[in-house]
Amino acid sequence: SAVISQKPSRDICQRGTSLTIQCQVDSQVTMMFWYRQQPGQSLTLIATANQGSEATYESGFVIDKFPISRPNLTFSTLTVSNMSPEDSSIYLCSVLDRAYEQYFGPGTRLTVT
Amino acid sequence: AQKITQTQPGMFVQEKEAVTLDCTYDTSDPSYGLFWYKQPSSGEMIFLIYQGSYDQQNATEGRYSLNFQKARKSANLVISASQLGDSAMYFCAMREPDNYGQNFVFGPGTRLSVLP
Repeated sequence: SAVISQKPSRDICQRGTSLTIQCQVDSQVTMMFWYRQQPGQSLTLIATANQGSEATYESGFVIDKFPISRPNLTFSTLTVSNMSPEDSSIYLCSVLDRAYEQYFGPGTRLTVT
Repeated sequence: AQKITQTQPGMFVQEKEAVTLDCTYDTSDPSYGLFWYKQPSSGEMIFLIYQGSYDQQNATEGRYSLNFQKARKSANLVISASQLGDSAMYFCAMREPDNYGQNFVFGPGTRLSVLP
């Protein structure tokens, strides 16, 4: 299985600011995903990060709020823009391996004050 | 309609006993995959087990097994010989193809508490 790291592991941010979360994989993968997990909730897919093209966003998520970059097959970033307390969540990146099994990074715990 | 249903918000089990966590799913696509993940209080999502829709046998991984009943669209997770470290949230998830490749949807989760 792929080894995935995320930075930062946690952060406390002020409302109105932006935070960029990095996701690094130890092998080349075609499909990377970004999820949000609000407190006490299940995971919700934000977008699929495609290498060489724009990210594909799920209903309820827009590029202006959650811009995503995918410069190569091992790295992606998610920015949470103009943050509000409602953005306080765990943000997780994941990858799909060749067997279509999905593995997750350790997550970024974001608190917006 | 919910694509993944987990009807047990919380479960208790005695240490060393077996426990079954329920999951039912809804899809019209013949090609799909079913997953179980464990999320301890640290927040990481730990992959436990996978079952493909065309797999003939139920998946097993150590103390974890998946009771796959395709006609009933259920994919229950069985944990044998529960340990205190099994206390966590457990999520059932489904992968199915969509217009962009693959889509993943997660159930609401079941919180398992293992009692000493």
